[in-house]
Amino acid sequence: DIQMTQSPSSLSASVGDRVTITCRASQSISSYLNWYQQKPGKAPKLLIYAASSLQSGVPSRFSGSGSGTDFTLTISSLQPEDFATYYCQQSYSTPSFGPGTKVDIK
Amino acid sequence: QVQLQESGPGLVKPSQTLSLTCTVSGGSISSGSYYWSWIRQPAGKGLEWIGRIYTSGSTNYNPSLKSRVTISVDTSKNQFSLKLSSVTAADTAVYYCARVSVVVAVDMYNWFDPWGQGTLVTVSS
Repeated sequence: DIQMTQSPSSLSASVGDRVTITCRASQSISSYLNWYQQKPGKAPKLLIYAASSLQSGVPSRFSGSGSGTDFTLTISSLQPEDFATYYCQQSYSTPSFGPGTKVDIK
Repeated sequence: QVQLQESGPGLVKPSQTLSLTCTVSGGSISSGSYYWSWIRQPAGKGLEWIGRIYTSGSTNYNPSLKSRVTISVDTSKNQFSLKLSSVTAADTAVYYCARVSVVVAVDMYNWFDPWGQGTLVTVSS
């Protein structure tokens, strides 16, 4: 099984801040990595697929990078609607998700 | 725009079988290169993939749940279903269905989108 870890587990930030979330896989997964945003009581929403491809309709302030074992989700200028929990997910083998990173208001 | 909606009992007794259905609207479940998947999330916890089905009927399951899981599809009703047997309190969770987009040439490029709104299933006597 491929284990996914994320750091930090939570962070506090202000509107306008640049936010970076890291995801690490227990083995190389090439670029088979997706990112989701989940707000309380809602289903996850796809943000980034294949490590760096922006899903249609997702604001361009979201970007993804990385390959192999280390990946990054960046929000270039945090907006009020971005306060949520973010999950990475690998599709290299049996799908698995990271534990999540909660972004809340500073 | 494709939408998914889960339905089924919200309360299941221990040792019984959990049964959920996902109804797909806004498009045919048989069109395109898609799988159809179930994912669950215990309260306050992370996401766990349960399994997926292609409209041909081929399935893949999470090895940790494989002995208890059956996913099936009914293309005539534009639905797919989940059965999880011998449930315990540990199976209490919000259950989501989701469409899996797949890059045909490289099927390891796949992702979950869209998702249903989720349905809470509680296992309790």
